[in-house]
Amino acid sequence: EAQVTQNPRYLITVTGKKLTVTCSQNMNHEYMSWYRQDPGLGLRQIYYSMNVEVTDKGDVPEGYKVSRKEKRNFPLILESPSPNQTSLYFCASSPHPIYEQYFGPGTRLTVT
Amino acid sequence: KQEVTQIPAALSVPEGENLVLNCSFTDSAIYNLQWFRQDPGKGLTSLLLIQSSQREQTSGRLNASLDKSSGRSTLYIAASQPGDSATYLCAGTSRGSNYKLTFGKGTLLTVNP
Repeated sequence: EAQVTQNPRYLITVTGKKLTVTCSQNMNHEYMSWYRQDPGLGLRQIYYSMNVEVTDKGDVPEGYKVSRKEKRNFPLILESPSPNQTSLYFCASSPHPIYEQYFGPGTRLTVT
Repeated sequence: KQEVTQIPAALSVPEGENLVLNCSFTDSAIYNLQWFRQDPGKGLTSLLLIQSSQREQTSGRLNASLDKSSGRSTLYIAASQPGDSATYLCAGTSRGSNYKLTFGKGTLLTVNP
């Protein structure tokens, strides 16, 4: 089954404790991206990757890092999480951004 | 910079009614317009994608249209059902937005039995 998976689905952590949210797709897509969703602000792009080793900032990249060492994986790294990063995070993939984008199930992160 | 607006923010209708959700965008140099459905606390389910060269797309009871010249898209839902209750999001990809999907804030649809 073609899908985008994210892990963990739910995470509660404390300020400053490094964490990684994984994203994996099995569709051989070149384009992958991360979004966060906040009440009243909607979905905003954090980072995107056009292909392996090619990443760039989206609208709200501060406090996040990404890497793209393999085509299928695009982890999101929070090196020192803060409470304002409490949010619902989505990973997406597509053959190219002008085509349909497929979203993962989301990761609900709470930073206390 | 692309901006996407959805009106109304919330809509409540009786079961069986046909309805239209509206989406407007500022940058007409759009590659595509995608409609999603989101259930509370859940992920995004892609409903329909309209490429810039297309005027509309249909899937079952859903029909989405795209008018680049006026900067508008509509999602038509026929014979609404309580199971259609969800938030509907539209999002566009355009040249001016560096390929990212720019989302509207959604329309919360409630279909009453």
